[in-house]
Amino acid sequence: DAGVIQSPRHEVTEMGQEVTLRCKPISGHNSLFWYRQTMMRGLELLIYFNNNVPIDDSGMPEDRFSAKMPNASFSTLKIQPSEPRDSAVYFCASSLFWAYTDTQYFGPGTRLTVL
Amino acid sequence: AQTVTQSQPEMSVQEAETVTLSCTYDTSESDYYLFWYKQPPSRQMILVIRQEAYKQQNATENRFSVNFQKAAKSFSLKISDSQLGDAAMYFCAYLDMRFGAGTRLTVKP
Repeated sequence: DAGVIQSPRHEVTEMGQEVTLRCKPISGHNSLFWYRQTMMRGLELLIYFNNNVPIDDSGMPEDRFSAKMPNASFSTLKIQPSEPRDSAVYFCASSLFWAYTDTQYFGPGTRLTVL
Repeated sequence: AQTVTQSQPEMSVQEAETVTLSCTYDTSESDYYLFWYKQPPSRQMILVIRQEAYKQQNATENRFSVNFQKAAKSFSLKISDSQLGDAAMYFCAYLDMRFGAGTRLTVKP
């Protein structure tokens, strides 16, 4: 298996632009997670899907952030409009079964820079 | 709210020696999971080991083992026979994916 795939690996954009990050989980995995990593705040869970349904989005920082999972093999994290403070590495992870007790497999991350 | 604390921002170990990374957490739950993740320079997060709270036996994965002290809410990671490839950031995580701030491990040849 190719593992969790994220695209793009790097994204540089200007403040106010829309940014879309993409994730393809490992085939057969039922749970998908989006994380954000910054020096100041460390690694934070943004949102978690189970069977394509958002279960916990309490970590989404504000309404500018939205995430979707239209099918079992694809998810997006969108920021609109983007701001410099959104600059971070965004990770997607998937796990086979329910919730947090199962091992999560992380993607390589997307480094987002908002100028 | 559950919190995870890693009090060692940086640690250093000589190749082939043993190092222990500390982690404490706060929870009111009686059953939960704890994890150690490794993040090498490639940025990819890799699961190193996990511990189920109801199991009294400490988890072990090859050169990696934990010292789980439930009453003290302590979950330290011991790396034996350290190798250059062990150099990375190590993150402790509680059940609901609350992560500690991380410990940067340097391995000296």
